[in-house]
Amino acid sequence: AQSVTQLGSHVSVSEGALVLLRCNYSSSVPPYLFWYVQYPNQGLQLLLKYTSAATLVKGINGFEAEFKKSETSFHLTKPSAHMSDAAEYFCAVSQNTGFQKLVFGTGTRLLVSP
Amino acid sequence: KAGVTQTPRYLIKTRGQQVTLSCSPISGHRSVSWYQQTPGQGLQFLFEYFSETQRNKGNFPGRFSGRQFSNSRSEMNVSTLELGDSALYLCASSSDRAVAGELFFGEGSRLTVL
Repeated sequence: AQSVTQLGSHVSVSEGALVLLRCNYSSSVPPYLFWYVQYPNQGLQLLLKYTSAATLVKGINGFEAEFKKSETSFHLTKPSAHMSDAAEYFCAVSQNTGFQKLVFGTGTRLLVSP
Repeated sequence: KAGVTQTPRYLIKTRGQQVTLSCSPISGHRSVSWYQQTPGQGLQFLFEYFSETQRNKGNFPGRFSGRQFSNSRSEMNVSTLELGDSALYLCASSSDRAVAGELFFGEGSRLTVL
């Protein structure tokens, strides 16, 4: 069975500081990995995806994530936080089966202070 | 291009009633998935439909059902509502060319069961 673990339900940073949101995965087969963002009272939006091509993946809004097989990790980073980055972030995993089923982590709420 | 549209956005029901939620996918998308989001259980996969056929189902009781029409619009139904069914129900669509897990989400239907 696949699963993802997000460390830290809340992360607080100051505006301009580095953002690091942690995600570790468990999968018996090569996974596809994703980060989604959810703003208040909205649905989820895809930030970036890893599909076994480049291990360093760049997404929207300046976010990127690195796939590390040896550490089974897929941490999300952004060099400089903006107030507009305050949201909940979900790491998710799927299998390359053609079926659209995601297994989500529990989410990390990012708080950005001025 | 219009996004994924879910109706209604908010609704209140009482225990024992049933509810039907509607989802219109992005034009050209034939896959529609449904997820339940609650504070306690997080985001959980309900089911996926593709070309009017359910091709994947999550671990939910039979009170939860869905269907897809020939125009790819989908509905989900919950019968005999329980308090624990209070949640944000998210619909997502994907294109045939998308990798497994690459989804476009609607803003959700927030169901409150009293």
